[in-house]
Amino acid sequence: DTAVSQTPKYLVTQMGNDKSIKCEQNLGHDTMYWYKQDSKKFLKIMFSYNNKELIINETVPNRFSPKSPDKAHLNLHINSLELGDSAVYFCASSRAGGNYGYTFGSGTRLTVV
Amino acid sequence: KQEVTQIPAALSVPEGENLVLNCSFTDSAIYNLQWFRQDPGKGLTSLLLIQSSQREQTSGRLNASLDKSSGRSTLYIAASQPGDSATYLCAVVQGGSEKLVFGKGTKLTVNP
Repeated sequence: DTAVSQTPKYLVTQMGNDKSIKCEQNLGHDTMYWYKQDSKKFLKIMFSYNNKELIINETVPNRFSPKSPDKAHLNLHINSLELGDSAVYFCASSRAGGNYGYTFGSGTRLTVV
Repeated sequence: KQEVTQIPAALSVPEGENLVLNCSFTDSAIYNLQWFRQDPGKGLTSLLLIQSSQREQTSGRLNASLDKSSGRSTLYIAASQPGDSATYLCAVVQGGSEKLVFGKGTKLTVNP
């Protein structure tokens, strides 16, 4: 009964490849997010979708493209992977409006070699 | 731009001690503040959520306070146990957005 689930948990790939990370939430939340945790463990928001509509798009390279087929799913596609993309990517969800707590997935550890 | 700072960056205490973790934020226009726990190689577990209108929240041995006007929050852990060892993250939801802004965390080690 995982509330926010991400797949895969680990991803090792070569530079230049294209990869996707999937996220699903069963909490009925309206808003979903992607966060990146760098090597120094700092968490920073990348994107936010509310009911399939993009509402937050931080300064992220165009190689990163989120896709939300419905409000329970938010996938992250990364083109032409670079060494610097190695990080842990977390999906999260919350009810809309900013007044509610966030629930995070367990993370996807991406290693680009 | 909202900035969240957590002090200390690391803390090591003997088992049984009461301890306080500090969090400060630069813009007091927040919706809420949330404390998380992150174990090595794991995801984030929500510990406490304090709405901007609230002063504190309690859950078991944890108590979090919020002073929005001064931009400060503390997380109090009573009678610490080795199982409390983890990184504790403070985050605020910036008013006017749904963006959760994190501090860099406090790494807590409780020694048996």
